[in-house]
Amino acid sequence: SYVLTQPPSVSVAPGKTARITCGGNDIGTKSVHWYQQKPGQAPVLVVYDDSDRPSGIPKRFSGSNSGDTATLTISRVEAGDEADYYCQMWDSSSALHYVFGTGTKVTVL
Amino acid sequence: QITLKESGPTLVKPTETLTLTCTFSGVSDTNRGVGLGWFRQPPGEAPEWLALIYWNDDDRYSPSLRSRLTITKDTSKKQVVLTMTNMDTVDTATYYCAHMRFSYHGLDVWGQGTTVTVSS
Repeated sequence: SYVLTQPPSVSVAPGKTARITCGGNDIGTKSVHWYQQKPGQAPVLVVYDDSDRPSGIPKRFSGSNSGDTATLTISRVEAGDEADYYCQMWDSSSALHYVFGTGTKVTVL
Repeated sequence: QITLKESGPTLVKPTETLTLTCTFSGVSDTNRGVGLGWFRQPPGEAPEWLALIYWNDDDRYSPSLRSRLTITKDTSKKQVVLTMTNMDTVDTATYYCAHMRFSYHGLDVWGQGTTVTVSS
């Protein structure tokens, strides 16, 4: 089955930029979504269809997807951005329709 | 605005059947998306997809759990029910229902989740 690989952790200072990668074979041909999850809370969609933002999500969150890597970028990082982040893709051609990445813990220094 | 709320037992015994209910509200012709899905997340792990049901009642299941799962929808009650048979300790997790958008089935609304512990 399809595997999405993320770095376990990313550390970033406030005001800097955090980049979280999501690796998968030819992931650039898929549509990738990104979720933020804070402790004890449900995931929240922060980027969908590679690079679109739901209403209410700050413009500081952006996404890109090409080749074998999708990337979530958080600009001007704030303390409130500390959370786990998961990439996810929908695979209509496989019986396993929803595939989630391994997750990345973002720590704000 | 769509809201989802999961309900069900917090503790089940091994071999028992788990029944979870997702009660939804706020679904309209302008925001209905394609349907609802069930997911679970063991402590410290990534979410895992279990099953989904489209508004037309078509359903899909995770291949690894297909034999144990049944998903149904009662639109009049605004509920989606998931049953999982033969529960085991490894099924201990927080279970979520989520709304699937039209575009590539992104999950734009999640319930608060319900934690299920499997223990004798």
